[in-house]
Amino acid sequence: DAGVTQSPTHLIKTRGQQVTLRCSPISGHKSVSWYQQVLGQGPQFIFQYYEKEERGRGNFPDRFSARQFPNYSSELNVNALLLGDSALYLCASSFNERSYEQYFGPGTRLTVT
Amino acid sequence: EDQVTQSPEALRLQEGESSSLNCSYTVSGLRGLFWYRQDPGKGPEFLFTLYSAGEEKEKERLKATLTKKESFLHITAPKPEDSATYLCATWNQAGTALIFGKGTTLSVSS
Repeated sequence: DAGVTQSPTHLIKTRGQQVTLRCSPISGHKSVSWYQQVLGQGPQFIFQYYEKEERGRGNFPDRFSARQFPNYSSELNVNALLLGDSALYLCASSFNERSYEQYFGPGTRLTVT
Repeated sequence: EDQVTQSPEALRLQEGESSSLNCSYTVSGLRGLFWYRQDPGKGPEFLFTLYSAGEEKEKERLKATLTKKESFLHITAPKPEDSATYLCATWNQAGTALIFGKGTTLSVSS
């Protein structure tokens, strides 16, 4: 079975631009979470979605937004990019919002110049 | 404040030299303690879930144990392919987000 997939793999953007990252969960999983990981740190929680509804939000500015589609895939949008947004963005899926085990995708490496 | 702390930050071992990684947490009402392995530039790979004090899980050369306030990842006779960053995580008290430690970067030389 396919695991969590993310696209694109790498992305280079300029300060002030907007970016959209995509995630497809494991088949049968209905919950998607997004994390930001900067070099040398553990992943930091951004959002959790379940059944197209936001179920949790981390301490990130409103420039970050996300949505989940009827097929349970998800998009993360970041507006007005800053240099500090450069990071590995990880998507994780779980069966539902109360499933304690999350499985991660390979990530999207975003570089902001 | 919900917090997960891992030590040491980095660990260098010779092949076959066993050791342990530590993860301490301050979340009350534990909903699971998770260990992940992460290779450079890749997403974390799920290893273990532990739910209650005294529980142990094993996979090849790795064994994870859990007490009331910390977890250990024991690595027995490591090989160079065990080199990676090992992350531990637990759910925050609200159950809405996984909180990760900063990880322990393990390097095993032959």
